[in-house]
Amino acid sequence: QSALTQPASVSGSPGQSITISCTGTRSDVGSYNLVSWYQQHPGKVPKLMIYEVTKRPSGVSNRFSGSKSGNTASLTISGLQAEDEADYYCSSYAGSGTLVFGGGTNLTVL
Amino acid sequence: QVQLVQSGAEVKKPGASVKVSCKASGYTFTTYYMHWVRQAPGQGLEWMGIINPRGGSTTYAQNFQGRVTMTGDTSTSTVYMELSSLKSEDTAVYYCARNGNIAVAAYPEFWGQGTLVTVSS
Repeated sequence: QSALTQPASVSGSPGQSITISCTGTRSDVGSYNLVSWYQQHPGKVPKLMIYEVTKRPSGVSNRFSGSKSGNTASLTISGLQAEDEADYYCSSYAGSGTLVFGGGTNLTVL
Repeated sequence: QVQLVQSGAEVKKPGASVKVSCKASGYTFTTYYMHWVRQAPGQGLEWMGIINPRGGSTTYAQNFQGRVTMTGDTSTSTVYMELSSLKSEDTAVYYCARNGNIAVAAYPEFWGQGTLVTVSS
């Protein structure tokens, strides 16, 4: 089970849109519509932002959206706000009851 | 509301074992899988494994097989994660996290507050 690949960092200005990619393989991202995204502020517990590729839990802003194409999933944040500055992690079901996370992406709001 | 309350911080010597507890409330304990995830200082999230509290079946990540044991106690709605043969690299915050749905054990949704385990001689 190798970690999913995410860019180490991305940045954007307030009001802009950014996209974070999450690349896996045919054994995980490519085989299941079970990709999730988490937001983690420093010293805080991870928060689920997107599940099953495109779904948002109750209470999560519709500025957050997810998509997938082949072995790569993406998280898009539109209308960037200062409070969006955090680390973001993707995860994917990898078969046989296992899960794999990405290495994480640090988002800076300029 | 769903609440997961974990046991307190631990300091262990290399070679020892640690057992972290996670008490669940606010939902039917046996209905949802429970994940364990850890995060070393300044590092990313690492999935350790999952337990089905109904029956106790488990699946462990390859990196932890042979060293981790996850158990559950339905009488107290508590799950446990025991990690043995500790090394300094096991220093991390350990989280329990309840799965988001009952059908597929594919995404931790509700997280405990985390338990810091420090391994040091």
